[in-house]
Amino acid sequence: EELLLESGGGLVQPGGSLRLSCEASGFIFSDYAMSWVRQAPGKGLEWVSSISGSGGKSYFADSVKGRFTVSRDNSRNTVYLQMNSLRVEDAAVYYCAKVPTPTVGSTTYFQHWGQGTLVIVSS
Amino acid sequence: SYELTQPPSVSVSPGQTARITCSGDALSKAYAYWYQQKAGQAPLLIIYKDIERPSGIPGRFSGYSSGTTVTLIISGVQAEDEADYYCQSADSSGTLVFGGGTKLTVL
Repeated sequence: EELLLESGGGLVQPGGSLRLSCEASGFIFSDYAMSWVRQAPGKGLEWVSSISGSGGKSYFADSVKGRFTVSRDNSRNTVYLQMNSLRVEDAAVYYCAKVPTPTVGSTTYFQHWGQGTLVIVSS
Repeated sequence: SYELTQPPSVSVSPGQTARITCSGDALSKAYAYWYQQKAGQAPLLIIYKDIERPSGIPGRFSGYSSGTTVTLIISGVQAEDEADYYCQSADSSGTLVFGGGTKLTVL
């Protein structure tokens, strides 16, 4: 069974930093790109970032470009989202999702999702 | 960037057919994907590459594509289908986008 388990969410002040983790199991982690998608309270889904299976390429939404970075440790089956300079509007449930291909492109989608971790940005 | 447009809400009675549309210029060249999100749960992939259904998804869910509009069709709607539905697409640069979501109400 494929499982994705996010962690690292919590309360942070505006301007602060937080690192989210997503540990995967049940599939060959390095064979698949991974993504982060967020959902603000009562709002829709917003793609945040993706990273290729090798970790060599990463992609970001304009709303987080320059503030967030994504990385992965294929030896630990874990993908990370480093969030810096956090804003109130970054508050959301952050989902980790598996992409069914090793690269990201025009046929990228989210095959399997974790249960999410909640990030609250407030003073 | 590009946008995908969905109706905010659709209502149907049990047993009827629900149709949820998703429109965007990029859809004439790119596939669409559909996700179901029930209250308090993570999204679930229900349609990929416009019309394909993952294993385990009931046959009453289907997809249709024409030009710049894709449609999620739920035949014989059941009470358990009440949820938010999102379309999604991608471009060759690695930019991914969701529609705003449609709340399906089963009357």
